[in-house]
Amino acid sequence: DVQMTQSPSYLAASPGESVSISCKASKSISNNLAWYQEKPGKANKLLIHSGSTLQSGTPSRFSGSGSGTDFTLTIRSLESEDFAVYYCQQYNEYPPTFGAGTKLELK
Amino acid sequence: QVQLKESGPGPVQPSETLSLTCTVSGFSLTSYGVNWVRQPPGKGLEWMGRMRYNGDTSYNSALKSRLSISRDTSKNQVFLKMNSLQTDDTGTYYCTREKIRPYFDYWGQGVMVTVSS
Repeated sequence: DVQMTQSPSYLAASPGESVSISCKASKSISNNLAWYQEKPGKANKLLIHSGSTLQSGTPSRFSGSGSGTDFTLTIRSLESEDFAVYYCQQYNEYPPTFGAGTKLELK
Repeated sequence: QVQLKESGPGPVQPSETLSLTCTVSGFSLTSYGVNWVRQPPGKGLEWMGRMRYNGDTSYNSALKSRLSISRDTSKNQVFLKMNSLQTDDTGTYYCTREKIRPYFDYWGQGVMVTVSS
């Protein structure tokens, strides 16, 4: 299985700041990577697929980059609603596998 | 609008069979696939298996011997059955929607399954 390594596990930031989350695959996955947001009491939300394509409804302050093995989720000008847990997921090969998550907390 | 809702039995005893139902609305099971993903408490997400739009199924090899996924398109439902449950099968079970590639544009809110004697 393709191992997905996310870093950092925890990230503290303030509204208005920009943050980046890294996701590294154990082998090349082309651009077959998705990012999700998890918030308590809400269904997980797809933010980005194909490495950098924003899902409909995802605010433009979110961006994704990378291909091959190294990917980054960047959130510019954090808003209060962005404090959540973020997961990456590869779908280049079966089984689809997820990173362990990054918890973005309010500083 | 698109919705997925998991339902299940609550507490389950070790060695028993888990039966979960995902009831969908706002889309057709003959146009979209439904996947099952689970998350043990404090741990990461694990893909379990899928029912494709055409009725084909795929399973995580780690669970394949215990897992079965089926559907009833007339009721807009997808079913998960997993036998020989153990305590490490405890967690939240989600159903998710996929279109063509296995990334998930909609998720259910999840159902908690506790395996305990």
